[in-house]
Amino acid sequence: QSVLTQPPSVSGAPGQRVTISCTGSSSNIGADYDVHWYQQYPGTAPKVLIYANSNRPSGVPDRFSGSKSGTSHFLAISGLQAEDEADYYCQSYDASLSDYVFGAGTKVTVL
Amino acid sequence: EVQLVESGGGLVQPGGSLTLSCVASGFTFTNYWMSWVRQTPEKGLEWVANINEGGTEAFYVNSVKGRFTISRDNARNSMFLQMDSLRADDVAVYYCARDQGRRRRQYRDHWGQGTLLTVSS
Repeated sequence: QSVLTQPPSVSGAPGQRVTISCTGSSSNIGADYDVHWYQQYPGTAPKVLIYANSNRPSGVPDRFSGSKSGTSHFLAISGLQAEDEADYYCQSYDASLSDYVFGAGTKVTVL
Repeated sequence: EVQLVESGGGLVQPGGSLTLSCVASGFTFTNYWMSWVRQTPEKGLEWVANINEGGTEAFYVNSVKGRFTISRDNARNSMFLQMDSLRADDVAVYYCARDQGRRRRQYRDHWGQGTLLTVSS
């Protein structure tokens, strides 16, 4: 069971907006440790999509955005495209474990 | 262009040892912390260990402490993961990754292609 909780799957039609939640606890997200998001296509390595809660690396479309509310963070994908069909993972640091921790991942399906 | 190339994966018997290697290029290796992250279909992504720029500090996930050793050779732009007392639950694709940011706030901004470790008799 992952320290960070993500929904197993989300889906949306092309052009729609979908959000993925990443919920933690007082020892990680609630302790104000940064959350980072990765995108992974099958058979390939993860790629950072959002770092430090809401920052996009160069080359990442502005359709991807990160936000926080309480002990949850959210990745939003606006204007969903077929190429966004992938797995998405959140990552933070947990002070109780003294480890970097990942969510179990969310599969985004474009209908 | 940043490139990270892992090697050394393979089939090992339970209780055996193996060393993974990662060769970096396209950036100043000595300026970055580096990590090993592993992935299985069942457990997803799991951060395994990381090491600071000079190789003087290293941190490990609890499940590998005392069994795995991370190291680096800055003269060869290389990082290693020595894995001893291997178990069935160590089976995974192991990724080499470059760390970005301050300790406890780091993320992995570049990843290698991964190398597969299989533990079986």
